[in-house]
Amino acid sequence: DGGITQSPKYLFRKEGQNVTLSCEQNLNHDAMYWYRQDPGQGLRLIYYSQIVNDFQKGDIAEGYSVSREKKESFPLTVTSAQKNPTAFYLCASSIDWTGYLQPQHFGDGTRLSIL
Amino acid sequence: ILNVEQSPQSLHVQEGDSTNFTCSFPSSNFYALHWYRWETAKSPEALFVMTLNGDEKKKGRISATLNTKEGYSYLYIKGSQPEDSATYLCAFIGGGSYIPTFGRGTSLIVHP
Repeated sequence: DGGITQSPKYLFRKEGQNVTLSCEQNLNHDAMYWYRQDPGQGLRLIYYSQIVNDFQKGDIAEGYSVSREKKESFPLTVTSAQKNPTAFYLCASSIDWTGYLQPQHFGDGTRLSIL
Repeated sequence: ILNVEQSPQSLHVQEGDSTNFTCSFPSSNFYALHWYRWETAKSPEALFVMTLNGDEKKKGRISATLNTKEGYSYLYIKGSQPEDSATYLCAFIGGGSYIPTFGRGTSLIVHP
């Protein structure tokens, strides 16, 4: 079955540490997205990638970095510059970034907490 | 930043009740509106993609309507069941951007 796999499900970060969240899809989708959810908030866009080797900042990109070296993979690094990283992180994909006639597909998410 | 509002924030109903909630979005430069259901410990799942003013879509007991001129969409659930308990998200695509802007969601709890 095609889908999106996020790992790990739970992640703990120490102060000053960078951590990387994995997102892999086998849907052959061109576009991928990272969202952050905080309690009582909607999904906020961190970064998105329209195609391999390209990515754009979203609304809350500060303290995060991404790469898109393969079509299937879009890892998110939460750097030590992100002062409030505790949140739920959701990865999504869509056929292409202009494909608004098709919905996004989502992973199960990663919950990141500070130790 | 586009403003997408969902109301109510949460809703408790009894099994068998019918219910509805609202997604409000900018009424200009509309491309599409997506509805998703997000059950606890699962990934959000697409319900409907709505693109035309006056659209009505139905999936089982769940239906949705769209009014792009006034900037709102309604989601209806007829005869709610406990398995309908979830957060329902809407996502607006428009305003010159193809990137979805999500509302905060409506949390529905259906009591047996």
